[in-house]
Amino acid sequence: QITLKESGPTLVKPTQTLTLTCTFSGFSLNTRGVGVGWIRQPPGKALEWLALIYWDDDKRYSPSLKNRLTITRDTSKNQVVLTMTNMDPVDTATYYCAHSDSVEATAAYWGQGTLVTVSS
Amino acid sequence: QTVVTQEPSLTVSPGGTVTLTCASSTGAVTSGSFPNWFQQKPGQAPRALIYSTNNKHAWTPARFSGSLLGGKAALTLSGVQPEDEAEYYCLLYYGGVRVFGGGTKLTVL
Repeated sequence: QITLKESGPTLVKPTQTLTLTCTFSGFSLNTRGVGVGWIRQPPGKALEWLALIYWDDDKRYSPSLKNRLTITRDTSKNQVVLTMTNMDPVDTATYYCAHSDSVEATAAYWGQGTLVTVSS
Repeated sequence: QTVVTQEPSLTVSPGGTVTLTCASSTGAVTSGSFPNWFQQKPGQAPRALIYSTNNKHAWTPARFSGSLLGGKAALTLSGVQPEDEAEYYCLLYYGGVRVFGGGTKLTVL
């Protein structure tokens, strides 16, 4: 049974760096083809794909946010970490992590999401 | 900046059939775009329905199907149920980068 859960601060101040952790179970990030990604959704708005890290440590980022994002993994802890620098109120959103078992099947399994509010 | 476009809203009667589409600003959507479709109901995380154009996940109801149609990715719901009322998102692959569409709000009325 594949599960993912996001954790991190619920409130950050403008200009701060956000660090979110995705803790997963039911699969290994050492398995060929597997990836874990991050997606966000501002309140009342559409989903936005952010980043993805693969089993071989290959990393992909949204071009529009690439300069602010870093995705890393700790396979021993079954965790994937996303950092986003220079947070702004427009970054207020629910942040989801999701499991991909291949290039073709992105985000087959999702976490419940965590709401991050950016406000002073 | 690549833009993926979906119909903002559609309405369908219970038992009817509706097709949602997903277009790319870079040109025709192909199988190499590995179109994925997701359903999201209010207050819930999205749920994956279709991957790689027309492949269903184990939990995807049979009434959902995916295809390519006129240069776009398409999601067809046949025999629509009231519980299919939701927001639907497509996702396209661009050489490693993924982009979501803006979503289609499907109303069952």
